[in-house]
Amino acid sequence: DIQMTQSPSSLSASVGDRVTITCRASQVINNYLAWFQQKPGKAPKSLIYAASSLQSGVPSKFSGSGSGTDFTLTISSLQPEDFATYYCQQYNSYPLTFGGGTKVEIK
Amino acid sequence: EVQLVESGGGLVQPGGFLRLSCAASGFTLSDHYMDWVRQAPGKGLEWVGRSRNKANSYTTEYAASVKGRFTISRDDSKNSLYLQMNSLKAEDTAVYYCVRAHYESNIYHPSQYWGQGTLVTVSS
Repeated sequence: DIQMTQSPSSLSASVGDRVTITCRASQVINNYLAWFQQKPGKAPKSLIYAASSLQSGVPSKFSGSGSGTDFTLTISSLQPEDFATYYCQQYNSYPLTFGGGTKVEIK
Repeated sequence: EVQLVESGGGLVQPGGFLRLSCAASGFTLSDHYMDWVRQAPGKGLEWVGRSRNKANSYTTEYAASVKGRFTISRDDSKNSLYLQMNSLKAEDTAVYYCVRAHYESNIYHPSQYWGQGTLVTVSS
């Protein structure tokens, strides 16, 4: 199975900050990497697929990059509605696997 | 408008069984790959399994943790997806989400279409 390691597991940031979350795969995943945002009590929301493609309706302050085994999600200017937990997922091979999550909290 | 509505969750004893349903609307279920994803209380996301579309004979894939105990099926006449869960264990306690995959450039990608989830609690 492909292991997905996210870092950091949590971070504190201020409104307006640029935030970067990293996801590392235990083997090459051919850019089949997605990012999700989840708020408490809600279903996850898909932000990015294919490492860097923005889902329809997702604001451009979210961006994804990376290739091979190392990927990043960047939020260009953190807003109050962005405080949430973020997950990466690889879908290169079965079983599909998620990272452990990164909780973004208000500083 | 695409909608996915799960139902069937509840309290079940260890060793018991439960069938979850996912009613799809706004699209034809048979055309799409569908996943089940779960989240234990206070924990992260775990992929449970996948049902491929009619064109791919509805074949399935499962996580090792549920293989042999859980089965994904469909009823096209009802535009519904199911998750039959047998031999339930305490560690199966979670919110279960139904998710539609998104087809683009010959690949099925994760999509923005998730249900609201249904809670399954396995406890005596």
